[in-house]
Amino acid sequence: DAGVIQSPRHEVTEMGQEVTLRCKPISGHNSLFWYRQTMMRGLELLIYFNNNVPIDDSGMPEDRFSAKMPNASFSTLKIQPSEPRDSAVYFCASRRAGANVLTFGAGSRLTVL
Amino acid sequence: DAKTTQPPSMDCAEGRAANLPCNHSTISGNEYVYWYRQIHSQGPQYIIHGLKNNETNEMASLIITEDRKSSTLILPHATLRDTAVYYCIVRSIQRGGGTSYGKLTFGQGTILTVHP
Repeated sequence: DAGVIQSPRHEVTEMGQEVTLRCKPISGHNSLFWYRQTMMRGLELLIYFNNNVPIDDSGMPEDRFSAKMPNASFSTLKIQPSEPRDSAVYFCASRRAGANVLTFGAGSRLTVL
Repeated sequence: DAKTTQPPSMDCAEGRAANLPCNHSTISGNEYVYWYRQIHSQGPQYIIHGLKNNETNEMASLIITEDRKSSTLILPHATLRDTAVYYCIVRSIQRGGGTSYGKLTFGQGTILTVHP
């Protein structure tokens, strides 16, 4: 079991550029969550997918953020255009149907200059 | 969402038990208490969860008071590798898209430092 795999682990970009973060959930898990962590706001839930369908995107900060899950083994979080205040660590987590435990990936650290 | 209150930081000597308290006085009858921890530069890691009975697994024990308004996470023999931020979370049930799901809302947690 390779766990939840996120890429890239580190991304440094300039303001205005498009950023795409990727997540591969654990095989067999049907729920996927994107979280963002900053010093000021802690860990915040951005969006939740169940069976590849977005169920709750109330945490997505604004229209610059979008997330997709084209299939059960892949999800993306896109920021376009990026801004310095988007600098954070973005975590992806997955969960098996009927289970109570979220498994988190190692995170993607984004720095927007 | 039921709010949790934890001390911002705690210290523990290596080999001793670490007892991390959490208050959740507004918890509802069907809401679970979860504990996660986050070691520096890593993603949060699940530790344990419970509803009203005490729980134990290979990592820790969870003691929930009878009125369910508070709980304590116990690491029986803390090691240096247990140094982390520990989050106590009350899982709320959210409804959306015609379904419901358990939502974990993380607070600021307790920074546990285990020292030699």
